[in-house]
Amino acid sequence: LAKTTQPISMDSYEGQEVNITCSHNNIATNDYITWYQQFPSQGPRFIIQGYKTKVTNEVASLFIPADRKSSTLSLPRVSLSDTAVYYCLVGTGGSYIPTFGRGTSLIVHP
Amino acid sequence: EAQVTQNPRYLITVTGKKLTVTCSQNMNHEYMSWYRQDPGLGLRQIYYSMNVEVTDKGDVPEGYKVSRKEKRNFPLILESPSPNQTSLYFCASSLAGQGNEQFFGPGTRLTVL
Repeated sequence: LAKTTQPISMDSYEGQEVNITCSHNNIATNDYITWYQQFPSQGPRFIIQGYKTKVTNEVASLFIPADRKSSTLSLPRVSLSDTAVYYCLVGTGGSYIPTFGRGTSLIVHP
Repeated sequence: EAQVTQNPRYLITVTGKKLTVTCSQNMNHEYMSWYRQDPGLGLRQIYYSMNVEVTDKGDVPEGYKVSRKEKRNFPLILESPSPNQTSLYFCASSLAGQGNEQFFGPGTRLTVL
């Protein structure tokens, strides 16, 4: 299983763009990269998923370089409600045991 | 409404008293799993199931049992709970295949005295 490394915590201010980078040096050819968001005492919620290059949806963008050894979740113009823990997951086909790790705790300040 | 439900949401029990936390999904998902979440340790997978009657251990299966007799239900059983199983538990489901979006339940906060 590919192991992921993320910063433990990040701070930002309302209106700023936030970029959270995840390292996954051992990513396999058929692995996808998925990001989840979790608010306190709630289950994680899917944000975005990608395989290579760039993916964008109404919530975030995901940038994946050509070597796929890292990925960056970009949150445009964050608000206080974006304060949460963000998890980067890399999964393999077949038996799927995702490793959530400790995630990145993002705190958005007024 | 597509959802994953868990019951109970909160439970306080004593050491050794068998308990079951139920999980049900209405999305016809093949894949279901249980996680526990502890401060500083993130989410750790306990058991997962790829389909009916197919279950397998996750990262931290000791002290837990599961069953998958129906596609929609995936109960978590603690035969003899101990205080170190005090945690926040989440059930999740998804379509089969890696990378598919997992839908999580609201969580069950368990305290074992």
